[in-house]
Amino acid sequence: GGIITQTPKFLIGQEGQKLTLKCQQNFNHDTMYWYRQDSGKGLRLIYYSITENDLQKGDLSEGYDASREKKSSFSLTVTSAQKNEMAVFLCASSISSQNTLYFGAGTRLSVL
Amino acid sequence: QQKVQQSPESLIVPEGAMTSLNCTFSDSASQYFAWYRQHSGKAPKALMSIFSNGEKEEGRFTIHLNKASLHFSLHIRDSQPSDSALYLCAVSYASSGSWQLIFGSGTQLTVMP
Repeated sequence: GGIITQTPKFLIGQEGQKLTLKCQQNFNHDTMYWYRQDSGKGLRLIYYSITENDLQKGDLSEGYDASREKKSSFSLTVTSAQKNEMAVFLCASSISSQNTLYFGAGTRLSVL
Repeated sequence: QQKVQQSPESLIVPEGAMTSLNCTFSDSASQYFAWYRQHSGKAPKALMSIFSNGEKEEGRFTIHLNKASLHFSLHIRDSQPSDSALYLCAVSYASSGSWQLIFGSGTQLTVMP
Protein backbone atom coordinates (compact mmCIF):
# COMPACT_ATOMS: atom_id res chain seq x y z
CA GLY A 1 0.00 0.00 0.00
CA GLY A 2 1.00 3.62 -0.38
CA ILE A 3 0.69 6.77 1.62
CA ILE A 4 0.15 10.46 1.03
CA THR A 5 2.00 12.79 3.37
CA GLN A 6 0.95 16.40 3.75
CA THR A 7 3.07 18.97 5.54
CA PRO A 8 2.56 20.85 7.71
CA LYS A 9 -0.47 19.42 9.54
CA PHE A 10 -1.32 22.86 10.94
CA LEU A 11 -0.44 26.22 9.43
CA ILE A 12 -1.06 29.57 11.05
CA GLY A 13 -0.40 32.61 8.89
CA GLN A 14 -0.75 36.35 8.90
CA GLU A 15 -2.97 38.32 6.54
CA GLY A 16 -1.18 38.95 3.23
CA GLN A 17 1.43 36.27 3.85
CA LYS A 18 2.50 33.80 1.16
CA LEU A 19 2.09 30.24 2.46
CA THR A 20 3.23 26.94 0.93
CA LEU A 21 1.68 23.53 1.53
CA LYS A 22 3.46 20.32 0.48
CA CYS A 23 2.25 16.88 -0.54
CA GLN A 24 4.22 13.69 -1.23
CA GLN A 25 2.87 10.33 -2.48
CA ASN A 26 4.56 6.96 -2.87
CA PHE A 27 1.79 5.26 -4.87
CA ASN A 28 3.61 6.17 -8.11
CA HIS A 29 0.33 7.75 -9.26
CA ASP A 30 0.29 10.06 -12.29
CA THR A 31 -2.55 12.36 -11.19
CA MET A 32 -2.49 14.58 -8.14
CA TYR A 33 -5.04 17.08 -6.78
CA TRP A 34 -5.47 19.90 -4.30
CA TYR A 35 -8.94 20.42 -2.82
CA ARG A 36 -10.15 22.92 -0.24
CA GLN A 37 -12.73 21.92 2.36
CA ASP A 38 -14.50 24.50 4.51
CA SER A 39 -15.94 23.27 7.79
CA GLY A 40 -18.34 20.34 7.24
CA LYS A 41 -18.70 21.13 3.54
CA GLY A 42 -17.82 19.48 0.25
CA LEU A 43 -14.50 19.59 -1.58
CA ARG A 44 -13.67 22.32 -4.08
CA LEU A 45 -10.96 21.70 -6.65
CA ILE A 46 -8.09 24.20 -6.66
CA TYR A 47 -5.49 22.63 -8.97
CA TYR A 48 -4.76 19.22 -10.42
CA SER A 49 -1.90 17.71 -12.38
CA ILE A 50 -2.08 14.71 -14.71
CA THR A 51 1.67 14.21 -14.94
CA GLU A 52 4.99 15.71 -13.85
CA ASN A 53 5.25 19.42 -14.79
CA ASP A 54 1.56 19.55 -15.82
CA LEU A 55 -0.83 21.98 -14.10
CA GLN A 56 -4.59 22.33 -14.61
CA LYS A 57 -6.79 24.91 -12.88
CA GLY A 58 -9.87 23.97 -10.95
CA ASP A 59 -12.81 26.25 -10.15
CA LEU A 60 -11.07 27.72 -7.09
CA SER A 61 -7.61 28.47 -8.53
CA GLU A 62 -7.70 32.24 -8.07
CA GLY A 63 -5.44 33.21 -5.17
CA TYR A 64 -3.37 30.01 -5.44
CA ASP A 65 -0.35 28.73 -7.36
CA ALA A 66 0.76 25.13 -7.69
CA SER A 67 3.90 23.26 -8.69
CA ARG A 68 4.52 19.64 -9.80
CA GLU A 69 8.27 19.35 -10.32
CA LYS A 70 8.42 15.65 -9.52
CA LYS A 71 5.92 12.83 -10.06
CA SER A 72 5.79 12.16 -6.34
CA SER A 73 5.24 15.71 -5.11
CA PHE A 74 2.70 18.47 -5.59
CA SER A 75 2.86 21.77 -3.72
CA LEU A 76 0.27 24.52 -3.30
CA THR A 77 0.97 28.18 -2.52
CA VAL A 78 -1.57 30.57 -1.05
CA THR A 79 -0.36 33.77 -2.72
CA SER A 80 -1.85 36.19 -0.16
CA ALA A 81 -3.57 34.77 2.91
CA GLN A 82 -6.97 36.31 3.69
CA LYS A 83 -7.76 37.45 7.25
CA ASN A 84 -9.95 35.02 9.25
CA GLU A 85 -9.59 32.36 6.54
CA MET A 86 -9.98 28.87 7.97
CA ALA A 87 -10.04 25.72 5.86
CA VAL A 88 -8.58 22.27 5.41
CA PHE A 89 -6.52 21.68 2.28
CA LEU A 90 -6.60 18.09 1.06
CA CYS A 91 -4.10 16.55 -1.34
CA ALA A 92 -5.04 13.40 -3.27
CA SER A 93 -3.58 11.15 -5.92
CA SER A 94 -4.94 8.56 -8.34
CA ILE A 95 -3.78 6.37 -11.21
CA SER A 96 -5.91 8.51 -13.53
CA SER A 97 -8.65 11.10 -13.19
CA GLN A 98 -11.37 8.44 -13.46
CA ASN A 99 -10.10 6.19 -10.72
CA THR A 100 -10.16 6.09 -6.94
CA LEU A 101 -8.61 9.08 -5.22
CA TYR A 102 -6.44 8.50 -2.16
CA PHE A 103 -6.34 11.43 0.22
CA GLY A 104 -3.77 12.75 2.66
CA ALA A 105 -4.73 13.76 6.20
CA GLY A 106 -4.91 17.44 5.27
CA THR A 107 -3.34 20.75 6.26
CA ARG A 108 -5.48 22.94 8.52
CA LEU A 109 -4.97 26.62 7.74
CA SER A 110 -5.84 29.51 10.05
CA VAL A 111 -5.12 33.12 9.17
CA LEU A 112 -4.92 35.71 11.94
CA GLN B 1 -19.34 23.37 -16.35
CA GLN B 2 -20.26 20.39 -14.22
CA LYS B 3 -22.68 21.02 -11.35
CA VAL B 4 -22.96 18.31 -8.70
CA GLN B 5 -25.67 18.61 -6.04
CA GLN B 6 -26.44 16.34 -3.11
CA SER B 7 -29.59 15.85 -1.08
CA PRO B 8 -30.48 15.89 1.68
CA GLU B 9 -27.94 18.16 3.37
CA SER B 10 -28.26 16.17 6.59
CA LEU B 11 -30.05 13.03 7.67
CA ILE B 12 -30.73 11.32 11.00
CA VAL B 13 -31.84 7.67 10.93
CA PRO B 14 -32.23 4.97 13.60
CA GLU B 15 -29.88 2.01 13.74
CA GLY B 16 -31.01 -0.73 11.36
CA ALA B 17 -32.77 1.62 8.93
CA MET B 18 -32.27 1.83 5.16
CA THR B 19 -30.53 5.11 4.25
CA SER B 20 -30.76 6.70 0.79
CA LEU B 21 -28.48 9.50 -0.36
CA ASN B 22 -28.90 11.34 -3.67
CA CYS B 23 -26.64 13.06 -6.15
CA THR B 24 -27.53 14.91 -9.35
CA PHE B 25 -25.11 16.11 -12.02
CA SER B 26 -25.41 18.35 -15.06
CA ASP B 27 -23.00 16.95 -17.68
CA SER B 28 -24.35 13.84 -19.42
CA ALA B 29 -20.86 13.12 -20.83
CA SER B 30 -19.57 12.19 -17.37
CA GLN B 31 -18.18 8.66 -17.25
CA TYR B 32 -17.14 8.00 -13.64
CA PHE B 33 -19.32 8.27 -10.55
CA ALA B 34 -18.21 7.61 -7.00
CA TRP B 35 -19.16 7.92 -3.35
CA TYR B 36 -16.67 8.86 -0.64
CA ARG B 37 -17.13 8.77 3.12
CA GLN B 38 -15.43 11.11 5.58
CA HIS B 39 -15.53 10.47 9.32
CA SER B 40 -15.12 13.52 11.53
CA GLY B 41 -11.55 14.80 11.52
CA LYS B 42 -10.40 12.21 8.99
CA ALA B 43 -9.59 12.17 5.28
CA PRO B 44 -12.27 11.17 2.74
CA LYS B 45 -12.12 7.53 1.73
CA ALA B 46 -13.59 5.93 -1.40
CA LEU B 47 -16.64 3.72 -0.81
CA MET B 48 -17.82 2.64 -4.24
CA SER B 49 -17.74 3.72 -7.85
CA ILE B 50 -19.62 2.91 -11.07
CA PHE B 51 -19.06 3.61 -14.75
CA SER B 52 -22.22 2.41 -16.47
CA ASN B 53 -25.96 2.61 -15.89
CA GLY B 54 -27.42 0.21 -13.40
CA GLU B 55 -26.74 -1.00 -9.94
CA LYS B 56 -23.72 -2.26 -8.03
CA GLU B 57 -23.80 -3.86 -4.58
CA GLU B 58 -20.98 -4.33 -2.09
CA GLY B 59 -22.04 -5.66 1.29
CA ARG B 60 -24.57 -3.28 2.85
CA PHE B 61 -23.94 -0.60 0.22
CA THR B 62 -25.66 -0.26 -3.18
CA ILE B 63 -25.03 2.38 -5.81
CA HIS B 64 -27.59 3.19 -8.55
CA LEU B 65 -26.78 5.19 -11.67
CA ASN B 66 -29.26 6.60 -14.18
CA LYS B 67 -27.38 8.73 -16.70
CA ALA B 68 -30.55 9.71 -18.60
CA SER B 69 -31.98 11.35 -15.48
CA LEU B 70 -28.54 12.69 -14.42
CA HIS B 71 -28.91 11.00 -11.06
CA PHE B 72 -27.08 8.51 -8.92
CA SER B 73 -27.63 7.35 -5.40
CA LEU B 74 -26.17 5.42 -2.49
CA HIS B 75 -28.27 3.10 -0.35
CA ILE B 76 -27.09 1.75 2.98
CA ARG B 77 -28.92 -1.30 4.29
CA ASP B 78 -29.05 -1.93 8.08
CA SER B 79 -27.41 1.40 8.92
CA GLN B 80 -24.96 1.32 11.85
CA PRO B 81 -23.75 4.08 14.19
CA SER B 82 -20.30 3.61 12.63
CA ASP B 83 -21.82 4.74 9.31
CA SER B 84 -22.25 8.23 10.81
CA ALA B 85 -20.11 10.46 8.59
CA LEU B 86 -20.11 13.04 5.79
CA TYR B 87 -20.93 11.35 2.47
CA LEU B 88 -19.58 12.97 -0.69
CA CYS B 89 -20.54 12.10 -4.25
CA ALA B 90 -18.07 12.73 -7.05
CA VAL B 91 -18.50 12.93 -10.83
CA SER B 92 -15.88 13.14 -13.55
CA TYR B 93 -15.87 16.15 -15.85
CA ALA B 94 -13.90 16.72 -19.06
CA SER B 95 -12.15 20.07 -19.15
CA SER B 96 -9.39 21.25 -21.51
CA GLY B 97 -8.67 17.73 -22.72
CA SER B 98 -8.39 16.09 -19.31
CA TRP B 99 -10.77 14.72 -16.70
CA GLN B 100 -11.24 16.26 -13.28
CA LEU B 101 -13.31 14.98 -10.37
CA ILE B 102 -16.00 17.32 -9.04
CA PHE B 103 -17.46 16.71 -5.59
CA GLY B 104 -20.87 17.58 -4.19
CA SER B 105 -21.33 19.56 -0.99
CA GLY B 106 -22.00 16.45 1.08
CA THR B 107 -24.72 14.81 3.17
CA GLN B 108 -24.08 14.58 6.92
CA LEU B 109 -25.47 11.23 8.10
CA THR B 110 -26.13 10.45 11.76
CA VAL B 111 -27.21 6.94 12.74
CA MET B 112 -28.77 6.88 16.21
CA PRO B 113 -28.22 3.74 18.35
